[in-house]
Amino acid sequence: GAVVSQHPSRVICKSGTSVKIECRSLDFQATTMFWYRQFPKQSLMLMATSNEGSKATYEQGVEKDKFLINHASLTLSTLTVTSAHPEDSSFYICSVEGEGNTIYFGEGSWLTVV
Amino acid sequence: GENVEQHPSTLSVQEGDSAVIKCTYSDSASNYFPWYKQELGKGPQLIIDIRSNVGEKKDQRIAVTLNKTAKHFSLHITETQPEDSAVYFCAASYGNQFYFGTGTSLTVIP
Repeated sequence: GAVVSQHPSRVICKSGTSVKIECRSLDFQATTMFWYRQFPKQSLMLMATSNEGSKATYEQGVEKDKFLINHASLTLSTLTVTSAHPEDSSFYICSVEGEGNTIYFGEGSWLTVV
Repeated sequence: GENVEQHPSTLSVQEGDSAVIKCTYSDSASNYFPWYKQELGKGPQLIIDIRSNVGEKKDQRIAVTLNKTAKHFSLHITETQPEDSAVYFCAASYGNQFYFGTGTSLTVIP
């Protein structure tokens, strides 16, 4: 299966600043990556589908100007949380669509906005 | 769209016993059904999956069954061990559209 790496695993930022989370597919060229958000003791909420070389597709209710997604290469997608607020604090997880539509997840990134 | 329901939300079993988690789905077009294990503070890890042309798949202590007619699939863990304690998510997929269940928190009591 695909190996997916996320960085950073934990980040604390001040309210009003922006923070970038990277998702790398280490052994598979991924034309499609997904970004999820997960609140404590809840399921995964799909935020957007990241497409290499084109604009991301956002789910209903997700602010595209707040959660900027860039998928500039087949191995890297980035999620930038702009003008972060405490309510943006969450666990953000990316995933890669591998062969046979199999989905492999990264280890996740904990964001705390203070 | 697809609707995936997962039961139970919490499950406690004695070490050595079996655990069964069930999911139902609504869209008959779904043809891929993975199961993920998520440990605290980590991303979900694929543990087993099944496609719609197969009724059952087994990998050591883990097995998944699929009933396409009834639109339900189940995860079976035998001889449970404390390290099996985690949250388990099912998913139903068609193409690159994935729909996750709400998760089952499994606790294996030593």
